[in-house]
Amino acid sequence: GAGVSQSPRYKVAKRGQDVALRCDPISGHVSLFWYQQALGQGPEFLTYFQNEAQLDKSGLPSDRFFAERPEGSVSTLKIQRTQQEDSAVYLCASSSRVGRAMDEQFFGPGTRLTVL
Amino acid sequence: AQKVTQAQTEISVVEKEDVTLDCVYETRDTTYYLFWYKQPPSGELVFLIRRNSFDEQNEISGRYSWNFQKSTSSFNFTITASQVVDSAVYFCALDPNQAGTALIFGKGTTLSVSS
Repeated sequence: GAGVSQSPRYKVAKRGQDVALRCDPISGHVSLFWYQQALGQGPEFLTYFQNEAQLDKSGLPSDRFFAERPEGSVSTLKIQRTQQEDSAVYLCASSSRVGRAMDEQFFGPGTRLTVL
Repeated sequence: AQKVTQAQTEISVVEKEDVTLDCVYETRDTTYYLFWYKQPPSGELVFLIRRNSFDEQNEISGRYSWNFQKSTSSFNFTITASQVVDSAVYFCALDPNQAGTALIFGKGTTLSVSS
C-alpha cells in the first residue's frame, strides 16, 4: 500500500507494562510526526522527526515516552511503565516536505492503546 | 496563544440538508495556514483543504465549500446536500508558522447524517 501504516492497530496493556508502537511512513517522506488523540479530543502533537533526527519532542508528556527513527524511515514510539492516562489513539503522519506542518500530512489509521 | 475552537461538538442532520461546521482560531502570526481534516470511523485523518492566511478567497470543491474570514478569525466549512457518507468527525487545524511545530487541532465536530 502507498499510505502510512501503523501497527498494532489495537493494544491492551496492563498498567506498568512497556509498549512499542510502530509507524511505517510513505516511502521517501522526510518528515514524520506523532500525535496523541484522547477520546473526544483532537490530536495533540508529541514529536517530530526530519529523517532520523528528532527535531522537536516538546509534546512528549513525560520521560516515559520515547520515540526513534534510526534509519529515517520506520519510527517507533515507546511508552514505558504505562499508566491509565496513556490510553489514547496514537497517530503517525508523514510529509514529503521538511520542517513545517504547512504541507499536507498523510495520517495513518492510528494505534488504539488501552491501559488497564 | 495559538488555539483552535470548534464550538459545535455534535451536529445531526438529515440527508440533503446543508450543514456548516464552525472554526475559530487564535494566532499571533501574520502568516499561517489553516486546514480541515475528516476522520471517518476507520480512524485515519483525511486531508480536505489547506488555506494560507494571505488567501481569503472562498473555495468550493464539489459539495464542499470553505469561508475564510480573517476579520473574524474564522474558517468555516459547509457541506451542501449532505450524504450519509459525510458522517465523521471533522477537525479544523492551525499551522502557526513556527519552525518545528506541528498542527494545532480543534476538538472536532461530530457530524451525523441520517437517511
